[in-house]
Amino acid sequence: KQEVTQIPAALSVPEGENLVLNCSFTDSAIYNLQWFRQDPGKGLTSLLLIQSSQREQTSGRLNASLDKSSGRSTLYIAASQPGDSATYLCAVYAIKAAGNKLTFGGGTRVLVKP
Amino acid sequence: DAGVIQSPRHEVTEMGQEVTLRCKPISGHDYLFWYRQTMMRGLELLIYFNNNVPIDDSGMPEDRFSAKMPNASFSTLKIQPSEPRDSAVYFCASSLGRSTEAFFGQGTRLTVV
Repeated sequence: KQEVTQIPAALSVPEGENLVLNCSFTDSAIYNLQWFRQDPGKGLTSLLLIQSSQREQTSGRLNASLDKSSGRSTLYIAASQPGDSATYLCAVYAIKAAGNKLTFGGGTRVLVKP
Repeated sequence: DAGVIQSPRHEVTEMGQEVTLRCKPISGHDYLFWYRQTMMRGLELLIYFNNNVPIDDSGMPEDRFSAKMPNASFSTLKIQPSEPRDSAVYFCASSLGRSTEAFFGQGTRLTVV
């Protein structure tokens, strides 16, 4: 059974500092890994999707890496801003033999202090 | 496209009542997912459909829960009878293909008193 873990559960940084969010998963048989952002009381917004054949994806200040063999992904947010405060979730899409579904980590709650 | 649309946004009901949550996926998407989010358990997949057909309902907690997708543009999640422990935020998501980006609705916050 695929298990996804995000550590730390919460993170507080001063504005301008780079953010590093970690995600680990137990089964490397995945189609892709996706990072989401969730604001309080809101739905999930997709940030980046990395296919299993890719090593990283970039979008603006966001960069996500994927090391499938070690079961790890890292989301980097450069020059953090107070507007980056939210909960960040990673999710892996397991192949059919491993459930064929998207499994989420518990999330990392980020606070960027002005 | 307006994205995935869920209704209602909030629902408060008494224990024992029937609750129906609704979802309109993004037009053209062939996968639809129902998730439940709680503080204790995080996001859990309840059921998903491919081309309107239920593929995996192993996450549905009990027989009190049922889901349908009568056509490509509409799905419902029904709880009958509802219980206080069903209180959670229920999300619907859709995607085009299995290995592409999933788009989530704003969720329905259900409170069963």
